[in-house]
Order: sequence, then C-alpha cells, then structure tokens
Amino acid sequence: DTAVSQTPKYLVTQMGNDKSIKCEQNLGHDTMYWYKQDSKKFLKIMFSYNNKELIINETVPNRFSPKSPDKAHLNLHINSLELGDSAVYFCASSRDRGDTEAFFGQGTRLTVV
Amino acid sequence: DAKTTQPTSMDCAEGRAANLPCNHSTISGNEYVYWYRQIHSQGPQYIIHGLKNNETNEMASLIITEDRKSSTLILPHATLRDTAVYYCIAIPYYNQGGKLIFGQGTELSVKP
Repeated sequence: DTAVSQTPKYLVTQMGNDKSIKCEQNLGHDTMYWYKQDSKKFLKIMFSYNNKELIINETVPNRFSPKSPDKAHLNLHINSLELGDSAVYFCASSRDRGDTEAFFGQGTRLTVV
Repeated sequence: DAKTTQPTSMDCAEGRAANLPCNHSTISGNEYVYWYRQIHSQGPQYIIHGLKNNETNEMASLIITEDRKSSTLILPHATLRDTAVYYCIAIPYYNQGGKLIFGQGTELSVKP
C-alpha cells in the first residue's frame, strides 16, 4: 500500500488551462503539505494543512488553491497555468503539525507548454 | 532556523562507508538536526534526526559533535541504491506547521 499517493504522475497542459493534482495519504496523519521542486531542483514548501485547516501559505500566487475535503486528502488546483508553473509537485504528510518526520509522495511532473 | 552548509557533491565506492558532513555552526539549543534524501525521480525520504546524542537506525548513523556545530551522516555500507541528494536541515523542536526548508544538499554518487 502506498502511504502517500498522488495523481497524476505526469501532466502536460497548455498555458491558460486549469488543472488539479490529487493527493491521498493512508497513514492516519493530521497534517499534509504541498512542495514545489523547480528546474534547479530547489524544493520549497507551498502549503500546509492540519485537519483540513490551512496553517502555512508561503506567498504562493492565488492561482494555486489547495483543498482538503478531509484530513486524508489534500488536492491542489491551479488556475490559468503559466510556463513558470512547470515543476515537480510533491505532496507529503506528517503525524501532526509539529512533527517533522514527513512522508512524501512520488511527485507530479507538471509541464506547461 | 539555523543555516546548514554541505558539500555540493561526493563520491563513495560501493560497500564502503559514506560519510556526509554538515556544518550548522549557528544551531540553537532547541534545534534538531534532520537528514532527508531524495533518490532521482522520487520524493524526499526521511533518514534520521538527533539533538545532541549520536543516533542509529536501520538506514544510517548520525554523529553530532559535542558543540553541536556540525554533524556527519554515515551510511555504513553504501550501495548503488544510496545514490541520491542528501539534505541536512536544522529544525526547532515542535516545528510549527511541520515546515521543512531544504537547501541544495549533497549529491552522493555511489560507484561500483
């Protein structure tokens, strides 16, 4: 069983489109995250949710809207995609908001053309 | 959070110990040292963490100097599958929000 699973694994789309990436964790964790890894391989946190409540928003453009229907799911919706949004997006989870032992998904490679 | 400094890259022969250094000279008393790694095309993976005592688990050992200004991650018998980027991160106890700040890490190449 995959602990943190993301879909899709690859996503190619045109500029201006709206797309979503889904994430689910089966670890019973309270906290989930989205990280972005750019072309230079720098990995940076975007959002953190604890029990469906947003606790970190790292000045991400409001075209990015995370949604957490329950604590096992954290989806990322991106409006009006831009070339600069091309990156690998990682979902992660941890036991609670103070726990730094995080489990990461395999990533979604988003390519905007 | 304290800044950490790591060599950009290192090589290690398969079967030998890989010793990955990390400098964290400004670490504060309530900050732990965490190590993660990222194998190519995969998500980061937690390895180990420690405060001031040396730690060992099934993956690695962590040696922290007495003054806590540096640490070394040891992979005792490196395999080709240990080829990855290794990140050393200083994180406060009860890190609010669980945020991880990744630096550039050390790219470890294990060679046959």
